[in-house]
Amino acid sequence: QKEVEQNSGPLSVPEGAIASLNCTYSDRGSQSFFWYRQYSGKSPELIMFIYSNGDKEDGRFTAQLNKASQYVSLLIRDSQPSDSATYLCAVAYSGAGSYQLTFGKGTKLSVIP
Amino acid sequence: GAGVSQSPRYKVAKRGQDVALRCDPISGHVSLFWYQQALGQGPEFLTYFQNEAQLDKSGLPSDRFFAERPEGSVSTLKIQRTQQEDSAVYLCASSLLGSGGGIHYEQFFGPGTRLTVL
Repeated sequence: QKEVEQNSGPLSVPEGAIASLNCTYSDRGSQSFFWYRQYSGKSPELIMFIYSNGDKEDGRFTAQLNKASQYVSLLIRDSQPSDSATYLCAVAYSGAGSYQLTFGKGTKLSVIP
Repeated sequence: GAGVSQSPRYKVAKRGQDVALRCDPISGHVSLFWYQQALGQGPEFLTYFQNEAQLDKSGLPSDRFFAERPEGSVSTLKIQRTQQEDSAVYLCASSLLGSGGGIHYEQFFGPGTRLTVL
């Protein structure tokens, strides 16, 4: 059973702080990792993807991947109230014809002004 | 350009009714996915199309669920004899390709159809 685990939160951080969101996955054959942001009542919106070990930065967002530990994280610097949302970690597994994403349950982030 | 669109946005059905949910992917996107998202959960995979071919339907929960993409563009998810446990948001996503070079292409989601079965 392929699993993606996230702390459901809520994670509360003050405005301007760094928010750290974590995700672990079970299948060592996983190749691609995605972070989606989902506002209440809305559909998931892609914010970051990472394929290789290490860090990938895009503006205030940094994705970190450690395949040996089967761990992926998302850091949000200078958190803003508009970042308050549920963050979904998604993993794409290897395998012939298997292109679907497996999602965690999401971590709810609340940025306090 | 236009994103993924879905219709209807909301659907209320009486138990036992059949429903059809439509997805218009981003133009030129080869891959199309359907997911089901229950309240407070992450999306769960239902089925995958590459052009008109349904390559993976392992996530469909029962034989009451059927999906098609006859011309490789618009897709329809049909649920027969709806049950209360079918109540969820049904999300459609498209991507340019499935994968290539060992990486998976990012999927872009539509707004979803919220199905409520009474």
